[in-house]
This record gives sequence, C-alpha cells and structure tokens, in this order.
Amino acid sequence: KAGVTQTPRYLIKTRGQQVTLSCSPISGHRSVSWYQQTPGQGLQFLFEYFSETQRNKGNFPGRFSGRQFSNSRSEMNVSTLELGDSALYLCASSLEADDNEQFFGPGTRLTVL
Amino acid sequence: DQQVKQNSPSLSVQEGRISILNCDYTNSMFDYFLWYKKYPAEGPTFLISISSIKDKNEDGRFTVFLNKSAKHLSLHIVPSQPGDSAVYFCAASRSEYGNKLVFGAGTILRVKS
Repeated sequence: KAGVTQTPRYLIKTRGQQVTLSCSPISGHRSVSWYQQTPGQGLQFLFEYFSETQRNKGNFPGRFSGRQFSNSRSEMNVSTLELGDSALYLCASSLEADDNEQFFGPGTRLTVL
Repeated sequence: DQQVKQNSPSLSVQEGRISILNCDYTNSMFDYFLWYKKYPAEGPTFLISISSIKDKNEDGRFTVFLNKSAKHLSLHIVPSQPGDSAVYFCAASRSEYGNKLVFGAGTILRVKS
C-alpha cells in the first residue's frame, strides 16, 4: 500500500507570493492533517480535514488555508508569503477522524526568499 | 505555552544498552500519547502509543510508560541499535480535538556501535 505522498517536495518562493501544497493520503484514509515544522517552533498543528470539512484549526493566521476533496486528497494554501513561512510542511493521514494513529508524508520544504 | 516538553535535546547510548527518552506534559486533559521517530528528509514514523487508561504498552523492543500523576511518559528501547539513531518526538492528543497532535521539541538519539 502506497504511503502518504506530498507534492512538490521542494519549493522556492519570494515574499508576497502565494503557494499551494498537495497531499494524497494513504488509500482508504479519510482524515488529513497538516503540520508545520520549523527549527524554532518545532512541529505545530495547522488544520485537520475529514469528509471535506475542516474539523480543527491551529493557531495560524488566516493566510494559511486548506481544503479537502471528495477523494480525500488535500491541499493547503499560504497567501502573501513571509520569510517566517519557510518551513517543512507535513501532511498526515489516518483512517477516521478520531483515529489517533497518523501516518506522515515526507513533507514539502518551502523556502521563502 | 509548551504543553508537551522533551527536556533532553540529545541522548547518546552504546549499542545493546537501554535508551530512555523522556517527555512531560502540562495539560491533564490529554488522553492519548504517541512516540514518533524521524530521520532527516523524511516524515515522522509512528512508533508506539498509549492511552491514558493504561500505564504501559509494549511492542517488541519499544515500551512506553505513562505516569499520569506526574504527567510524565517515557520510551524505553531495549536493546538499542545503530539504526535507532534518529529524532524522537513525543506527542499528545485530546479525544474531543480529533487528530490534533501536540508535539514536543524532539530528542536526538545517537546509538554508538
């Protein structure tokens, strides 16, 4: 069974631009969560989607948004990029909404110049 | 406010000996705890978990102990192997918050052969 896939793996953008990251969960998994990893703040929860609905949201500004499609694939968008948005963005999937065991993808490394 | 703390940034252990990684939490509402292992350029890999109704869970070389009164959990790896060298993250969740995980800062484990 294929794992969680994320595209692209690496991305370089400049301040003020916007970016869209994609995540395909493990087949059959219906819950997708997004995390940001930075050296200073560690791994921080962004949001969780289940059945195309956002169930939980972390403490990030409105520039960070996401959505989930009917096939459970998810995208996250960051608008008006800032230097501090440079990070590893990780997607995790799980079978159900309250299934604690989450499986992570390899991440997308975003660099904002 | 760091709700999950891993106070040891790094740990070095001889191959074959026991590795003990520690984690403290402040939020008594957490009811599920997980350990993840992360290699560079990869996403975190789930290792083992424990519900707050238990005080021990074992899976092969990995055992997690939970002390609710002290708000402390630990991961024991016996025997340690060089391939265990990685960053280990402790994470916690609350049932009503679905799949939102709160992570510690991580501990770098080096197993010397």
